[in-house]
Amino acid sequence: EVQLVESGGGLVQPGGSLQLSCSASGFTFSSFAMHWVRQAPGKGLEYVSGIIPSGGSRYYADSVKGRFIISRDNFKNTLYLQMSSLRPEDTAVYYCVRDFGTGWYFFDFWGQGALVTVSS
Amino acid sequence: EIVLTQSPGTLSLSPGERATLSCRASQSVSSDYLAWYQQNLGQAPRLLFYAASRRATGIPDRFSASGSGTDFTLIISRLEPEDFAVFYCQQYGRSPWTFGQGTRVEIK
Repeated sequence: EVQLVESGGGLVQPGGSLQLSCSASGFTFSSFAMHWVRQAPGKGLEYVSGIIPSGGSRYYADSVKGRFIISRDNFKNTLYLQMSSLRPEDTAVYYCVRDFGTGWYFFDFWGQGALVTVSS
Repeated sequence: EIVLTQSPGTLSLSPGERATLSCRASQSVSSDYLAWYQQNLGQAPRLLFYAASRRATGIPDRFSASGSGTDFTLIISRLEPEDFAVFYCQQYGRSPWTFGQGTRVEIK
């Protein structure tokens, strides 16, 4: 059974930093691209960032480019999102999602999400 | 950026009725690379369809999807209680990858 479990969410002040982790199991992690998608409270879905299986290519939405860094550890089956210079508008539930393959950019499995709140 | 507009915003129906949801793109979606997701209250989204009409694993056949170019449709033939949720379309044909704003299907 595919499982994606996010951790690391919490309350952070504007301008602060936070790192999210996503522990994956039930599939060959190193064979799939992985992504982060977020959802602000009561709002729709927004694509944030993605990384191909090898980690050699990464993609960022304009809204987070230069502030967020996506990475992965294929030995630990873990996906990361390092977030810095956080803004109130980054407040959202962050979902770790599995790509359909090596870079299709649609998502067949979702974690339950980690809430990040940016507030003073 | 491809903007996806979903309509209606809210659909009020009774169990057993048919639901028709629309997703319109501001530009043609390359290769009909459009997906549909369902999000039940308090839960993560789940994939329903990809490539406009290909049903994802485990999705019941009361769900169907169609369309091409700029106009796409999701149909639920007979609503079950668990189908009352928010539905999103997403295009993955061209970056940035974008979602529609969602259609809520609520119990009438």
